[in-house]
Amino acid sequence: GAGVSQTPSNKVTEKGKYVELRCDPISGHTALYWYRQSLGQGPEFLIYFQGTGAADDSGLPNDRFFAVRPEGSVSTLKIQRTERGDSAVYLCASSLTLTGTSGRGEQFFGPGTRLTVL
Amino acid sequence: GDSVTQMEGPVTLSEEAFLTINCTYTATGYPSLFWYVQYPGEGLQLLLKATKADDKGSNKGFEATYRKETTSFHLEKGSVQVSDSAVYFCALSGEAGGTSYGKLTFGQGTILTVHP
Repeated sequence: GAGVSQTPSNKVTEKGKYVELRCDPISGHTALYWYRQSLGQGPEFLIYFQGTGAADDSGLPNDRFFAVRPEGSVSTLKIQRTERGDSAVYLCASSLTLTGTSGRGEQFFGPGTRLTVL
Repeated sequence: GDSVTQMEGPVTLSEEAFLTINCTYTATGYPSLFWYVQYPGEGLQLLLKATKADDKGSNKGFEATYRKETTSFHLEKGSVQVSDSAVYFCALSGEAGGTSYGKLTFGQGTILTVHP
């Protein structure tokens, strides 16, 4: 079956511009996660959704970052007034159930969107 | 907060050599522990996991044992192949009720290169 897809694969923008990054999770997965990966680092958590609601947005770095999942499937990460420091690979993942000590909830990752802010 | 520390890399080995990549963690209670792998040009994928103390996760010849007493989850493989060349990430997800429940906290990654 289809995996997690992300569009665009690459995005180049200028400082101060607004960008939207899209994530299509695996069909039927209730949980959706966003991570950010800077060069040479591991992914850092941004936000996750259970259904339509943001269950934990504690990783969003500031109020320029916002994410939605209006119908409980596709999600969009929105970045306002982009800065050069926002340049990174933005990863989306989905899981059937929420990741936890039950042993279920394996996260399946998309290929990422590489954002470059000039 | 919770954190994961991996041995500093990169790691370069000859084919059929023994591999160890160290991983230690800081977390309250009993988190779930994971190893993810990222092959060149591909996305992150789960390699193995362990959800309670003394559990051993295994897959594709790789193994890791959840050691609560040393807060470690070291990755091992007895005989590496060229095709194992990739970036390996150790990660945890906190137990229910904790601040890191439901999400993954990753280490910085270890680049493994295996030469023929």
